Amino acid sequence: EEQLVESGGDLVQPGGSLRLSCLASGFTFETYGVHWVRQAPGKGLEYVSGISSHGGSTYYADSVKDRFTVSRDNSKNTLFLQLRSLRTEDTAIYYCVKASRSGFDPWGQGTLVIVSS
Amino acid sequence: DIVMTQSPDSLAVSLGERATINCKSSQSVFYSSNNKNQLAWYQQKSGQPPKLLIYWASTRESGVPERFSGSGSGTDFTLTITSLQAEDVALYYCHQYYSTPYTFGQGTKLEIK
Repeated sequence: EEQLVESGGDLVQPGGSLRLSCLASGFTFETYGVHWVRQAPGKGLEYVSGISSHGGSTYYADSVKDRFTVSRDNSKNTLFLQLRSLRTEDTAIYYCVKASRSGFDPWGQGTLVIVSS
Repeated sequence: DIVMTQSPDSLAVSLGERATINCKSSQSVFYSSNNKNQLAWYQQKSGQPPKLLIYWASTRESGVPERFSGSGSGTDFTLTITSLQAEDVALYYCHQYYSTPYTFGQGTKLEIK
């Protein structure tokens, strides 16, 4: 069974930093692009960032460009998202997703990031 | 960026009736290399992550009930739920995976009338 498990979410002050991780299992991680999607409380889904199968291409939403950095370690089946200069509007559940020809599937359960003083 | 616009924002339908959700993209998401529309629909129930329902605009994901169907091409798409069941109460999102950033519609809240 394909599975993604996020971790690293926490309460952090505005301006702070955080590193999210996503551990993949049940599929050949190194052959798929993987992405981060977030959902603020009571709001819709927002694409955040993504990375190609071997890390050669990265993608960012304008709202996080120059503040967030996506990376992956294929030897550890793990996706990362480094969050810097955090703002209150970054408060959200951050989901890790696998990209395929059929869209985003599966989704992890998410990890909650709260940015507050 | 491709903007995805869903309508309506919310919808109340009686049990056993049909529900229709529309999605419009600001540019075509038809990928000529595979002759497919790079458009997916997701269902999100309260407290859960989204679940893939439909991909390539009209292909039902394995295990998804036949009452869910997708249609459309280019820039205009529709998700139809025939004979609404109580367990279909959820938020529904369309999503384009044609070009990065892979954007989502704002969501449609489906309730029972």
